[in-house]
Formats: sequence, C-alpha cells, structure tokens
Amino acid sequence: GAVVSQHPSRVICKSGTSVKIECRSLDFQATTMFWYRQFPKQSLMLMATSNEGSKATYEQGVEKDKFLINHASLTLSTLTVTSAHPEDSSFYICSASGITDTQYFGPGTRLTVL
Amino acid sequence: SQQGEEDPQALSIQEGENATMNCSYKTSINNLQWYRQNSGRGLVHLILIRSNEREKHSGRLRVTLDTSKKSSSLLITASRAADTASYFCATGETDSWGKLQFGAGTQVVVTP
Repeated sequence: GAVVSQHPSRVICKSGTSVKIECRSLDFQATTMFWYRQFPKQSLMLMATSNEGSKATYEQGVEKDKFLINHASLTLSTLTVTSAHPEDSSFYICSASGITDTQYFGPGTRLTVL
Repeated sequence: SQQGEEDPQALSIQEGENATMNCSYKTSINNLQWYRQNSGRGLVHLILIRSNEREKHSGRLRVTLDTSKKSSSLLITASRAADTASYFCATGETDSWGKLQFGAGTQVVVTP
C-alpha cells in the first residue's frame, strides 16, 4: 500500500521558536496533501489542504500566518508552526492522496511547546 | 468542523465477539471511509464505501451505508486483542475536493 512518512516523530521546543514538520509520500505522487491536528482523546480536525504548486486552503479558524504550509513537490509538503506557544502543543498528522479518493496518513508528529 | 457522530463512544468486548459501531453524518457525500488508530499513532485506512454502494466487505470487516438515513456501520467479526484501537469514520463530501470530515471516534477495547 501507499506509504506516507512524517519527520520528526516528536519535537520539543521552547515557546517562541518555529518548528517545521515534513510529510512525504514515499511510493506515489500526492497531488493533494492534508494537515490535521488532534488533541488527546479527540478526533482529527482538518487544518488545511495543499495542492502541489499552489497556495494551501485553510479551514475556518486556522491562522495561515501561524501555520505555514508549503507543497513544493508531488512528494513533499511541510507545515511550519511559527512562534509556537504551549497551546500549539498537539499531535499533527498529514495525509496524502493521489488519483484515488483514499487518503493515506502519516504516523504523526507530537509537538510539545514548553 | 466535525461532521460525523459516532456511537458508541467506547466499546469493551471479549475476544471472539463481534464489535459494531455506527456513524451518522449530515451532508451529501461522495464516499465514507473508516480508519483505525492505535494510541499515539497515525491512521490506518480500513475501507472506503462509495455513496452508490450499500455494503462492502474486507476480511473480518463489514461496512454498510444507508444514504437515506445518512448513516454507516462498521462490524468487526471475531474480534482479536490486536483490534484494540480507536475507529473513526470520515466522510468525503460532495464538491469538497477530497477533504474528509472525521467523526468523534469509537474506542474499542478487546480483552483476551
């Protein structure tokens, strides 16, 4: 099956710093990638949709200047959490889809902001 | 925003029993997908059912879809301890360009 990787798997940073999370589709070309956020024991909340070569589309309530998304190639999308604060601590998960409707999910990145 | 409501929120069964969970949604959909998530991990895609399908099977999984009632069910037969996980339904809405809206999830615990 299709494999999606995320890096790093865990990151701890100080308040005010920026953190970049990478999402890669390893064995298929992902025309669309999605970024989700998940708080403990809760469901996934879609943050944004990114298509290769174009600007990301953010969901209502998600600050695009705080969560910068870049989808520079058909296999890589990055999410940068700028000026992170403790309330940004969460589990961030990306997914990728190609020519079918199925989204393949990465293993997630646990962000802890001190 | 979350679309799906899942029922029950939690389910505890013994190995060998069947587990059934339900998902309801509100809008028009192209497809409905079920995912499994082990604690602190990513999601594993289980099955996709399209809006013109009523039932689908994959191994020990059986999914039904009733678009008139805007509901779906996931049945896991002959459950195993390894099936312990959270299960989420996600709807692919019409004209949503592949976006998924996730339900709240059902936490399933299978005891040996």
